[in-house]
Amino acid sequence: DSGVTQTPKHLITATGQRVTLRCSPRSGDLSVYWYQQSLDQGLQFLIQYYNGEERAKGNILERFSAQQFPDLHSELNLSSLELGDSALYFCASSVNTDPGSPLHFGNGTRLTVT
Amino acid sequence: GESVGLHLPTLSVQEGDNSIINCAYSNSASDYFIWYKQESGKGPQFIIDIRSNMDKRQGQRVTVLLNKTVKHLSLQIAATQPGDSAVYFCAESATETSGSRLTFGEGTQLTVNP
Repeated sequence: DSGVTQTPKHLITATGQRVTLRCSPRSGDLSVYWYQQSLDQGLQFLIQYYNGEERAKGNILERFSAQQFPDLHSELNLSSLELGDSALYFCASSVNTDPGSPLHFGNGTRLTVT
Repeated sequence: GESVGLHLPTLSVQEGDNSIINCAYSNSASDYFIWYKQESGKGPQFIIDIRSNMDKRQGQRVTVLLNKTVKHLSLQIAATQPGDSAVYFCAESATETSGSRLTFGEGTQLTVNP
């Protein structure tokens, strides 16, 4: 068990809808990362937060947004969903933003858009 | 753009044999590397990491080798067991450009035959 908790485990929704994915980092970790894993793209970095502030952005669509709250949990909001958004969404956390801080991953949320 | 990739998508070995999983990276500025194991239905699990000032690091039954000259990384698993069957990802970060966020390779499916 990595200590990173993601909810829900599965989510099925229709195109055009909006969903929120939730992540609780490991105790003591200040940095949270969101990754998308699809069959044809592998693990793609979306966005990183550190202690409530956005730290880095990757291949995140404008329809997607995220935030990290004062209690350090994070939410990833996906709106105007398309079929191609179906994927596994992983949250990871690390102690800080120092290079060399291993990322610890949750078990993901499987999103299916129908 | 810069990317991390794997030479082989699949690897099949006999139980008890040693396994070697390879990874090539293209970013010469990468200075931190990690191997993750991902089992079906779970998130990536940290196995071992190595910094660019080292060329070898050993863990329990695993060894990571780094050859910066040819930008090559490998994971050696000794006495491979059925429980080692999973997808293995290498990942890298470059301190100055990406901080602590990781770029992942495509993954290698390791199958251990009894």
